[in-house]
Amino acid sequence: EVQLVESGGGLVQPGASLKLSCVASGFTFSDYWMSWVRQTPGKTMEWIGDIKYDGSYTNYAPSLKNRFTISRDNAKSTLYLQMSNVRSEDTATYYCTRVTEGNLDYWGQGVMVTVSS
Amino acid sequence: DIQMTQSPASLSASLGETVSIECLASEDIYNNLAWYQQKPGKSPQLLIYYTSSLQDGVPSRFSGSGSGTQYSLKINSLESEDAATYFCLQDSEYPWTFGGGTKLELK
Repeated sequence: EVQLVESGGGLVQPGASLKLSCVASGFTFSDYWMSWVRQTPGKTMEWIGDIKYDGSYTNYAPSLKNRFTISRDNAKSTLYLQMSNVRSEDTATYYCTRVTEGNLDYWGQGVMVTVSS
Repeated sequence: DIQMTQSPASLSASLGETVSIECLASEDIYNNLAWYQQKPGKSPQLLIYYTSSLQDGVPSRFSGSGSGTQYSLKINSLESEDAATYFCLQDSEYPWTFGGGTKLELK
């Protein structure tokens, strides 16, 4: 069974940094592109970016590229999202997703990030 | 960025009815359109990919169609479990972009 389990969320102050993790199981992690998606409290969905199966290539939403970094550790079957200089508008639920032929076919349960002083 | 305009934003229908949800892309996305269902408090689940291909395990009452810039999701014979929010996603061009969502309520 494919499982994606995110962690690392919580309350963070504006301007701070935060690193989210997503541990994958039930499939060969190193065979798949992976992606991060977020959903605002108002339920708007936003694609953040993705990373190639070997970690050699990433794509980002232009509005987030300068502050967010996606990486992975295939030995640990773990995907990461490094968030820096966070803002109130980064408050959202963050989902880790598996990418299969361009589709986000499995999603984690999500992790909440609240940016507030 | 490709803008995805989804309509309606909300929808109320009765059990057994058929409903359609539309997504309009700001440019041709060459059938690279997926639909997701999100139930309250849950993660989104892939229903349909590449416009009309049904994801494994998804009931056949769900179907997708479209081309160019116009796409639709049709749900036949609504069941109570279909109450959810539905999103479209274009993966034709980076950055991938979502529609605003349609909240389907069952009367």
